[in-house]
Amino acid sequence: QSVLTQPPSASGTPGQRVTISCSGSSSNIGSNTVNWYQQLPGTAPKLLIYNNNQRPSGVPDRFSGSKSGTSASLAISGLQSEDEAGYFCAAWDDSLHGFYVFGTGTKVTVL
Amino acid sequence: QLHLQESGPGLVKPSETLSLSCSVSGGSISSITYYWGWIRQPPGKGLEWIGNIFYPGSAYYNPSLKSRVAISVDTSNTQFSLKLSSVTAADTAVYYCARRHVERGAFDFWGQGTMVTVSS
Repeated sequence: QSVLTQPPSASGTPGQRVTISCSGSSSNIGSNTVNWYQQLPGTAPKLLIYNNNQRPSGVPDRFSGSKSGTSASLAISGLQSEDEAGYFCAAWDDSLHGFYVFGTGTKVTVL
Repeated sequence: QLHLQESGPGLVKPSETLSLSCSVSGGSISSITYYWGWIRQPPGKGLEWIGNIFYPGSAYYNPSLKSRVAISVDTSNTQFSLKLSSVTAADTAVYYCARRHVERGAFDFWGQGTMVTVSS
């Protein structure tokens, strides 16, 4: 049911900057805020970014989010080995009486 | 410190009803600041929102599951529950309970998840 499209994979070497895209539509990203979640292997997802670009307490400022039109991006600067994880964007979708939708997910590998 | 803990059968037979509970400690389900929700993740796949509940009982469901799902708050006000009827193998997944901040709109706290397999 995912209506938010992400690249299946991304990679980088330690210290590099990695960017993950999230493509949606006018009924979701175009009209609502975007959240990002990080899922380390075998664990529950963790909130990384809310309201497009806000970091919860404790999230390093290496992680940043942005939104433009019907797309959003997550950037990881100064990539570290512990950043190897799955990343999911999410937003509320106003169609069908409204529902919360997650992106397809991106696996980040630290080379 | 908030703690969410899912509990329920790990194996459910096809066509039966999946029932899970989420125990909330260190926080109040009756808070007007939060929704309480369920999300699932089939093995090796992405996340799917199942639904939310706002105390005392306003529930919102994924349209794709709406005809089969019910979320409620237990009378103890320390647990909320998920019931998913007429399950099939496609409902096999890790089920997470989570807290969703009303203003931030994001799930800011998650349980560890519980694996439910649908099989005869």
